Amino acid sequence: AQSVTQLGSHVSVSEGALVLLRCNYSSSVPPYLFWYVQYPNQGLQLLLKYTSAATLVKGINGFEAEFKKSETSFHLTKPSAHMSDAAEYFCAVSDQRDSNYQLIWGAGTKLIIKP
Amino acid sequence: DTEVTQTPKHLVMGMTNKKSLKCEQHMGHRAMYWYKQKAKKPPELMFVYSYEKLSINESVPSRFSPECPNSSLLNLHLHALQPEDSALYLCASSYSGPEGGYTFGSGTRLTVV
Repeated sequence: AQSVTQLGSHVSVSEGALVLLRCNYSSSVPPYLFWYVQYPNQGLQLLLKYTSAATLVKGINGFEAEFKKSETSFHLTKPSAHMSDAAEYFCAVSDQRDSNYQLIWGAGTKLIIKP
Repeated sequence: DTEVTQTPKHLVMGMTNKKSLKCEQHMGHRAMYWYKQKAKKPPELMFVYSYEKLSINESVPSRFSPECPNSSLLNLHLHALQPEDSALYLCASSYSGPEGGYTFGSGTRLTVV
């Protein structure tokens, strides 16, 4: 079965600093990987996804993630943090179940931006 | 149209009430989902509809009853809920394959009193 581990329930960075949110996955097949962001009292928004086309994936709001098979990682980065980036971030992997696909979620990382 | 629309945004209901949550999408997605999310936790899958048929029920109590009237609509009927059912209820939709990712609605914040 697939699984996802997000290291760090909280990450705090200063405005303008590099953002690094860590995600490791476990998968017996080539994975489809996703990062979602959730702002307070809102639904989840897809930031970016890895579908094997390219190992470096660019997403919305200046975020990108690199798929590293040897490290089973898909870490999310942004060169310069903005106050508006403060949110909960979830990493997920697509898992087949019968004839359906469902997302397996990490526990989430809360990103805190210090002024 | 690239949105999933959920109504209502907020709902307060008593333990004897019957209410329904509604979800609508017009992206041609053939898979639709209900999730429950508690504070500071990832979403928990409740139900999956694929091509308008219920394909996954994650052992959800019968006081939650899903319905998919057509390929664009998804309902969640609520009856005799408990206070611990208070949560954010999220609807999502996707293409049927593994690579598309989900589009989520903004959710219904449910409070059971």
